[in-house]
Amino acid sequence: SYVLTQPPSVSVAPGQTARITCGGNNIGSKNVHWYQQKSGQAPVLVVYDNSDRPSGIPERFSGANSGNTATLTISRVEAGDEADYYCQMWDRSSDWVFGGGTKLTVL
Amino acid sequence: QVQLVESGGGVVQPGRSLRLSCSASGFTFRSYGMHWVRQAPGKGLEWVAVITYDGSKKYYGDSVEGRFTISRDNSKNTLYMQMNSLRAEDTAVYYCAKDVAKNCAGDCPPDYWGQGTLVTVSP
Repeated sequence: SYVLTQPPSVSVAPGQTARITCGGNNIGSKNVHWYQQKSGQAPVLVVYDNSDRPSGIPERFSGANSGNTATLTISRVEAGDEADYYCQMWDRSSDWVFGGGTKLTVL
Repeated sequence: QVQLVESGGGVVQPGRSLRLSCSASGFTFRSYGMHWVRQAPGKGLEWVAVITYDGSKKYYGDSVEGRFTISRDNSKNTLYMQMNSLRAEDTAVYYCAKDVAKNCAGDCPPDYWGQGTLVTVSP
């Protein structure tokens, strides 16, 4: 089955840019979606179809997908962005797959 | 606004059954596919199942295929998950979530999620 690989953790100072990667074989040919999950809360969709944002999600959140890596970029990081982030995609042979998650720490 | 409220969780012995429900409001339930996603304590997200808006197609994760059954009642705005032959590794918070777009064929990601219901499988 398809495997999505994320770094376990990413750290960034407030005001800087955080980049969270999601690796997979030829992932650039798939649609990738990203979720934010704060401690004790349900996940929230922050980017879908590689780079679209649901209503209410700040423009600071953006996505890109090419080759074997999809990337979630959070600009001007704030303390409130500290959370676990998960990538997700649909594959015809594996149905829905989640990455293992990345813990974003705001220093 | 969109509301999804799960219920039916609890403590159950291995091998027994449980049925989860998800009551939906704030959107046209019959037009959206619905997912179940679970999260074991301290672990990541695991997709469980999806059902299309009209119930005609259902897809399952490998770990629950043949044991769990997803269904819906569009007249009651309610999603269900029948869980049979439960195992210790099924212990998790179970979330229901709606598709981001209408009339998808099981291939749209979920946007709004409920707060989850905890299922504990223990002797």
